[in-house]
Amino acid sequence: DAGVTQSPTHLIKTRGQQVTLRCSPKSGHDTVSWYQQALGQGPQFIFQYYEEEERQRGNFPDRFSGHQFPNYSSELNVNALLLGDSALYLCASSHWTARSSYNSPLHFGNGTRLTVT
Amino acid sequence: AQTVTQSQPEMSVQEAETVTLSCTYDTSESDYYLFWYKQPPSRQMILVIRQEAYKQQNATENRFSVNFQKAAKSFSLKISDSQLGDAAMYFCASVTYNNNDMRFGAGTRLTVKP
Repeated sequence: DAGVTQSPTHLIKTRGQQVTLRCSPKSGHDTVSWYQQALGQGPQFIFQYYEEEERQRGNFPDRFSGHQFPNYSSELNVNALLLGDSALYLCASSHWTARSSYNSPLHFGNGTRLTVT
Repeated sequence: AQTVTQSQPEMSVQEAETVTLSCTYDTSESDYYLFWYKQPPSRQMILVIRQEAYKQQNATENRFSVNFQKAAKSFSLKISDSQLGDAAMYFCASVTYNNNDMRFGAGTRLTVKP
């Protein structure tokens, strides 16, 4: 049973560039959430995708965008990178039931470490 | 607003001893879940235990148990018979029915001494 997989593991980009991070959810899951975890802090919610639509969004600028594909995999795109975007980006999957996925525990991937220089 | 607070940046415990990690939360909703996640150096967040707000009985998972005090909005994690493999960052988190975004505390770094 494959868990959540993320690629790449590490990434180094220059300020102003654009980056795309990828995530495949755990088998049987249909909902993908993205989190940003700065060094020494807890994860911060970026957005959540279900049925290829953004269902909820955290307090992140429009430079952060995402997409979910029919096979439930997802991408996180960040444009015009800033030094402050350097962080661990975590993808988590869950299962949507009724109106919410709140009662389905999140399963996390190992994350993508993004360094912006 | 939905917030989670962990007031202990670091804790240490002797192997085989018991340690309790503290967490308080705040939400105006009545339907929510609380979680404890563990993040070892491998970076992957691993679910340790979860508690549904409507259940009064404290959740337990082997050596891990919680003390859920709903009125005080407190949700502490007790680790019994601590093992070296328990060393990690521990995050308390909450999610509500109307807001699917899981909120995390700042974390507590647990060190286990042999």
